Amino acid sequence: GAVVSQHPSWVICKSGTSVKIECRSLDFQATTMFWYRQFPKQSLMLMATSNEGSKATYEQGVEKDKFLINHASLTLSTLTVTSAHPEDSSFYICSARDEQAGGYNEQFFGPGTRLTVL
Amino acid sequence: QQPVQSPQAVILREGEDAVINCSSSKALYSVHWYRQKHGEAPVFLMILLKGGEQKGHDKISASFNEKKQQSSLYLTASQLSYSGTYFCGILGGYQKVTFGTGTKLQVIP
Repeated sequence: GAVVSQHPSWVICKSGTSVKIECRSLDFQATTMFWYRQFPKQSLMLMATSNEGSKATYEQGVEKDKFLINHASLTLSTLTVTSAHPEDSSFYICSARDEQAGGYNEQFFGPGTRLTVL
Repeated sequence: QQPVQSPQAVILREGEDAVINCSSSKALYSVHWYRQKHGEAPVFLMILLKGGEQKGHDKISASFNEKKQQSSLYLTASQLSYSGTYFCGILGGYQKVTFGTGTKLQVIP
């Protein structure tokens, strides 16, 4: 199957700093990628849809100025958590769909990034 | 609008069977099933499409009832490796997937 990578796999930062997380599709192109956040023992909640060459679309309740998304190429989307605070500590996961794979809309997930804000 | 899964948690002995249910308040066009191990990203198991088409795992099966807006995942002859949290995902507009509440499955020897 298609492979999605994320970097870094974990990060610890001080409150008030910004953190950038990268999501790459390694063997396919993705015009659309998705960013999720997962708190402990909870389900994955979609934060935003990253669109190559255009602005991201955010889910209700997600601050677009705090979670900056850039989808600069067909294989790379980045999520920047600006002025991070302890409540932003979470597991961030990206996914992408292999649009050449036919009509199944199967999503492939990156390994996730564990963010801890002190 | 998050799909509701049942049961929330289940413990099985190796070799036993389990059924995980997923109910949606919205009409279903396709249902995805994923398994997530602790600290890892979800791994795709299966997709069910309206009309009965399936793509997925050899040892796991699922059903899709469009009328009842429900899907069920069937795990037979469970193995220790089946342990994890199972999520259903409902495909919506713009290819977005809304994940269910999750079912934690633990298989013990």
